[in-house]
Amino acid sequence: QVQLVESGGGVVQPGRSLRLSCAASGFTSPFTFSNYGMHWVRQAPGKGLEWVAVISYDGSNKYYADSVKGRLTISRDNSKNTLYLQMDSLRVEDTAVYYCAKQEGHSSSFDSWGQGALVTVSS
Amino acid sequence: DIQMTQSPSTLSASVGDRVTITCRASQSINNWLAWYQQKPGKAPKLLIYDASTLETGVPSRFSGSGSGTEFTLTISSLQPDDFGTYYCQHYYGYLYTFGQGTKLDIK
Repeated sequence: QVQLVESGGGVVQPGRSLRLSCAASGFTSPFTFSNYGMHWVRQAPGKGLEWVAVISYDGSNKYYADSVKGRLTISRDNSKNTLYLQMDSLRVEDTAVYYCAKQEGHSSSFDSWGQGALVTVSS
Repeated sequence: DIQMTQSPSTLSASVGDRVTITCRASQSINNWLAWYQQKPGKAPKLLIYDASTLETGVPSRFSGSGSGTEFTLTISSLQPDDFGTYYCQHYYGYLYTFGQGTKLDIK
């Protein structure tokens, strides 16, 4: 069973940076972390889910929600089974729980999720 | 951009009831739709993908239907553990959009 564990959340001032990590484990052979697209999804306090970014299985393609384009950067290190989200020029409205999620093999739905990392942007 | 609209926003039902949640897309999305359940303080859980395919391990009382612009999630006989917020999600290529959610309470 795939496990995703986020880390790196915390309190940060507006305009500053933060990097989230998502460590993946539990893949069933022959499938590995490097076989799957990965996503970041966020949820502001008391609000719904907002898709943030996706990276293809090999890191060659990356797409972002308009609300974060140019400020947040998704990346991955397949040798470390880890997904990243570099968050620059943070705004108060970026305050949310950030989830990493694995893309399902046959569709583009999200079949495994981490527990979430809380990012609070506040002065 | 494609917009996803869920109804109702909130729903209260009794154990054993048949419950239906609707998700409408602003344009045709074929069957590229998933449903998730989220409980307070927890990550979402995939229930249905490709509009009607039940995710492994999800109870058979959950079912999905629809295509084009209108989709439904049905719980055939509501159980106490089914409380939470339900989200539909459209996916196609590199576009992903969630509905605003339907909060389900057990009476």
